[in-house]
Amino acid sequence: EADIYQTPRYLVIGTGKKITLECSQTMGHDKMYWYQQDPGMELHLIHYSYGVNSTEKGDLSSESTVSRIRTEHFPLTLESARPSHTSQYLCASSEYSRGSPLHFGNGTRLTVT
Amino acid sequence: GDSVTQMEGPVTLSEEAFLTINCTYTATGYPSLFWYVQYPGEGLQLLLKATKADDKGSNKGFEATYRKETTSFHLEKGSVQVSDSAVYFCALTSNSGNTPLVFGKGTRLSVIA
Repeated sequence: EADIYQTPRYLVIGTGKKITLECSQTMGHDKMYWYQQDPGMELHLIHYSYGVNSTEKGDLSSESTVSRIRTEHFPLTLESARPSHTSQYLCASSEYSRGSPLHFGNGTRLTVT
Repeated sequence: GDSVTQMEGPVTLSEEAFLTINCTYTATGYPSLFWYVQYPGEGLQLLLKATKADDKGSNKGFEATYRKETTSFHLEKGSVQVSDSAVYFCALTSNSGNTPLVFGKGTRLSVIA
């Protein structure tokens, strides 16, 4: 019963294209996150936000940007896609209180050719 | 900084076997601890959590106890099923809750009939 939605589910694009991965949540959560997931499973934090007009870089933020204009929406943009961006991208959200768990979307699987 | 170390996989078990996936952490104060599960083709789901020392989280037959003295949060299940095949992630959030969740690298479990 995911209340956090990611589109597209799958995307194949050519090198150099600009793309935006969409993420929306209907739970009114203040905190939202983007993770990149290796084929080997490890999660890398790309960007996060603790509220409208607030964004922070994670460990793997280069070459991408995010915006948080509305509470429910947290899109991720790659200005110029490269084959090294081929991966799964997971969006998540949580309440602000300590100990609140993350709710994840089902991910966008991106292939850059 | 905060960190989580979990046992490397893959772990392969026969149905009805006992499961333990070890997780230890490094953090100041009293972090909140989580286990997440990721089924094929999906995002992560919260499996269980514990927010203070000696708390036991439990769900779907899985259990984990927050051990402050050994800085551990090992995941256990008495009798695994084929449907438990997934990737399991241990994670923590800081005492303040103001920093992003820190994940372990994940452990892949395969249960064979």
